Amino acid sequence: SQQGEEDPQALSIQEGENATMNCSYKTSINNLQWYRQNSGRGLVHLILIRSNEREKHSGRLRVTLDTSKKSSSLLITASRAADTASYFCATTFTGGFKTIFGAGTRLFVKA
Amino acid sequence: DTEVTQTPKHLVMGMTNKKSLKCEQHMGHRAMYWYKQKAKKPPELMFVYSYEKLSINESVPSRFSPECPNSSLLNLHLHALQPEDSALYLCASRQGLAGGETQYFGPGTRLLVL
Repeated sequence: SQQGEEDPQALSIQEGENATMNCSYKTSINNLQWYRQNSGRGLVHLILIRSNEREKHSGRLRVTLDTSKKSSSLLITASRAADTASYFCATTFTGGFKTIFGAGTRLFVKA
Repeated sequence: DTEVTQTPKHLVMGMTNKKSLKCEQHMGHRAMYWYKQKAKKPPELMFVYSYEKLSINESVPSRFSPECPNSSLLNLHLHALQPEDSALYLCASRQGLAGGETQYFGPGTRLLVL
């Protein structure tokens, strides 16, 4: 089964609103990453948070990690139509290359 | 140059054909990945090459055959595929075990098997 599970599966908001996506995982991780994918294209790395970090910011993105609950959230503030995409969390196991992606959240931002 | 390139962008093949997907990066990365992605699903890991050696094979059917001729190139040879193999095939690279964990993805090859 997938290491990371995300909710909601789909999210539709108005431009300017905030979007929050959640990711849960099952086993110990080295780090957790968030990626964005525009329709039918390659994934773009957004942000990486390590297992010993609790919060990280990058521009309009804020990521939190709660290792006790094995969960992470991605907050996009002041969303724009260009943020419309699928967002995936991905976990990497300690000392390895294996990366498992969550089911993803499809975000639609209406102008 | 932070680009991973993939060719072709689109591929249509019959079940008896043999074709190859190509991936190239010039970032000096020593780990390269193949993923398969079906519509509205997350990428599924297929293979990982580390320092030109196959380090992970996620029980992929033998009709998919990866090859890493050198540290910049990664191929995926396709033979006797099934219609259910139709998907977006993504290549990615990262620095290596001692380097960053960020993966850089190519735009993908959209494969249709008839």
